[in-house]
Amino acid sequence: DIQMTQSPSSLSASVGDRVTITCRASQSISRYLSWYQQKPGKAPKLLVFAASSLHTAVPSRFSGSGAGTDFTLTISSLQPEDFATYFCQQSYITPYSFGQGTKVDIK
Amino acid sequence: QVQLVQSGAEVKKPGASVKVSCKVSGDTLPDLSMHWARQAPVTGLEWMGSFDPEDASVVYAQKFQGRVTMTEDSSTATAYLELRSLRSEDTAVYFCATPGRTGELDNWGQGTLITVSS
Repeated sequence: DIQMTQSPSSLSASVGDRVTITCRASQSISRYLSWYQQKPGKAPKLLVFAASSLHTAVPSRFSGSGAGTDFTLTISSLQPEDFATYFCQQSYITPYSFGQGTKVDIK
Repeated sequence: QVQLVQSGAEVKKPGASVKVSCKVSGDTLPDLSMHWARQAPVTGLEWMGSFDPEDASVVYAQKFQGRVTMTEDSSTATAYLELRSLRSEDTAVYFCATPGRTGELDNWGQGTLITVSS
């Protein structure tokens, strides 16, 4: 099974900061990598698929990059509504797997 | 836009079974694959498996093999997840979700809390 490792597990940031979250796969997954945002008590919401494609209506301050085993999610200018937990997920091969999450909170 | 509405929270005793439903609106269920995942504080998000209506095939994560069944009823546009022989470690929020072209999960149900407790 493919293991997905995110870093950091949490970070504190201020509104307007640039934030970068990384995700590493235990083997190559080409570009079959998605990013999700989750707020407490809610289902995850898709932000990015195929490593760098923004999902419908996702603000352009979010961007994804990477291929193979190393991927990043960047928020160019953090907004108040962006404080949440972020997950990566590989869909290269079943069983699909998720990272452990990165919680972004207010500094 | 596809909407997925799941059944309500349940409390079950160890050894029991649970069946979670996921009703689809805005698209035709027979055209949709359905994935299931769960989320618990200790284990995080776990993919459990998927049902592909094109050939009625299912893929289950090995961890759940023998205890899980995923089905669909096209007449009611509802997908089901059944988990048997429940144990306390199965306490989690269970989600249904539909996949996009590259396996991303682009529509999610609201989640169903299953609590396993004696």
